[in-house]
Amino acid sequence: NAGVTQTPKFRILKIGQSMTLQCTQDMNHNYMYWYRQDPGMGLKLIYYSVGAGITDKGEVPNGYNVSRSTTEDFPLRLELAAPSQTSVYFCASEGGTVEAFFGQGTRLTVV
Amino acid sequence: GQQVMQIPQYQHVQEGEDFTTYCNSSTTLSNIQWYKQRPGGHPVFLIQLVKSGEVKKQKRLTFQFGEAKKNSSLHITATQTTDVGTYFCAREYGNKLVFGAGTILRVKS
Repeated sequence: NAGVTQTPKFRILKIGQSMTLQCTQDMNHNYMYWYRQDPGMGLKLIYYSVGAGITDKGEVPNGYNVSRSTTEDFPLRLELAAPSQTSVYFCASEGGTVEAFFGQGTRLTVV
Repeated sequence: GQQVMQIPQYQHVQEGEDFTTYCNSSTTLSNIQWYKQRPGGHPVFLIQLVKSGEVKKQKRLTFQFGEAKKNSSLHITATQTTDVGTYFCAREYGNKLVFGAGTILRVKS
C-alpha cells in the first residue's frame, strides 16, 4: 500500500499562473481533505470530500477549487496564484473510523 | 464553536524534563485525536480519545480526555530529542477534521 501520494513535492509558480496539486489514495477511503500549513502555523482546512462527487468548503477555500470524480483522487486547483498561497499543502484521507493518513506534502512558492 | 485552542504555542525544554500540551474547546467533543509532525514531515496519528475521563498511555506519552469532554492533554515524561516536533489535537466537526494550531516542542540536549 502506498497510502496517500501527493505530487509534485515542490513547485515554484509565478503570480497569476495556475496549477493542480495531485492527491491519490489507495485505501478506498471515502473522506479526503486538503490543508495548508504556513511556516510555524497549524493546519487550515481548504476543502474536503466525503465521497466521489461530493465536495465542500473548509475554513480557507478562496482561490482554490477541487473535484472528486473517483474515490482515489482529490486534486486541488489553483487558478490565479498569489504570493499569499505560498505554503505547504497536505492532502489526507480517512476511512471513517479513526485516524487520518497524510501525504508527504507539496511545498509551493509563488513569486 | 468548531475550533480547538492549544496551549502553549511553543515550549523549549531540557532533555529529561516533562512536557504537557493542552487542547480546549468551548463545546463538547465527540472525540479528540492527537497527531505529531516532525520538522519537515507530515502529521502522523498518535491516538484517539472517546470516553469522558479517558486516560491512555503510549510509553512515555500520556493522553487524557476531560470529564466534560471539552479539553484534553498530552503529557510526555522525561523528554528525549526524538520527541521534537509539533503536536496537534484535532476534532471532528460534522464531516470536517479540524486541527488546533499545535504546540511546537524543542528539546535541548
